[in-house]
Amino acid sequence: AQTVTQSQPEMSVQEAETVTLSCTYDTSESNYYLFWYKQPPSRQMILVIRQEAYKQQNATENRFSVNFQKAAKSFSLKISDSQLGDTAMYFCAFIYSGGGADGLTFGKGTHLIIQP
Amino acid sequence: DTGVSQDPRHKITKRGQNVTFRCDPISEHNRLYWYRQTLGQGPEFLTYFQNEAQLEKSRLLSDRFSAERPKGSFSTLEIQRTEQGDSAMYLCASSSRMNAEAFFGQGTRLTVV
Repeated sequence: AQTVTQSQPEMSVQEAETVTLSCTYDTSESNYYLFWYKQPPSRQMILVIRQEAYKQQNATENRFSVNFQKAAKSFSLKISDSQLGDTAMYFCAFIYSGGGADGLTFGKGTHLIIQP
Repeated sequence: DTGVSQDPRHKITKRGQNVTFRCDPISEHNRLYWYRQTLGQGPEFLTYFQNEAQLEKSRLLSDRFSAERPKGSFSTLEIQRTEQGDSAMYLCASSSRMNAEAFFGQGTRLTVV
C-alpha cells in the first residue's frame, strides 16, 4: 500500500514571501498521479495542482509550482508571492493511474499560515 | 451546478443512534467517493461508487457503515449504532473520470456524545 508523508505540521511565513511545503511518498508503482489540495478553514477542499508521474516537466499553476523528483519520491509545493488567502491546510495526495477505485491517499497535511 | 453538496453540515447524535448523510455530486460525474477526516489527519478513503455500483470498500468501513447510490445520482452514507469513535468529518467527492480532479463537498461533521 502507498503512503504519503508530510513532515511539516505547521508553517508560517510573511505575506509576499515564498514558501515550500514538502511531501514524500512510498509506492512500488511507476504510473500514478500526485496532487496538492488546499482546505481553507471551514471550507471545502479544492485542487491546487496536479502532476502525472510520467511527465518529467514540473507542473505550474500561476503562483503555485511543484518540484517532482520521481526517483526520490518527493513532491514539494512552492507558493510564490504568498497571500493572506493562502492560509489553509495543504494536503499532498496520491492515486494509482491504473485504477482509482481506492481513491486518493492523503498525507496528514501542513497548516500554512500567512502573516500580514 | 453549484458543485458537490452534502447534507447536513453538522450532526450531533447520542451514542447508539443511527445517522444518515447525503451527498449530491456534480451531475455529470459518474464517480463518487466517501472519505472520513479526523482532527489533525488527512482524509481517509471509505468507499467508491462508479455510477450505482459500489466497487470498493475500505477495511475502515465496519459492518455498521453502509453506503448506497441508487440510480447513480446522489449517495447516502448510514452509520448504525454510532460510537464516539465515529466522530469525524465525512467528506464526499466526485469526479468525471479515473484520476481526474476530485471535487469535494464541504463535509458533514458528526459528533457522537
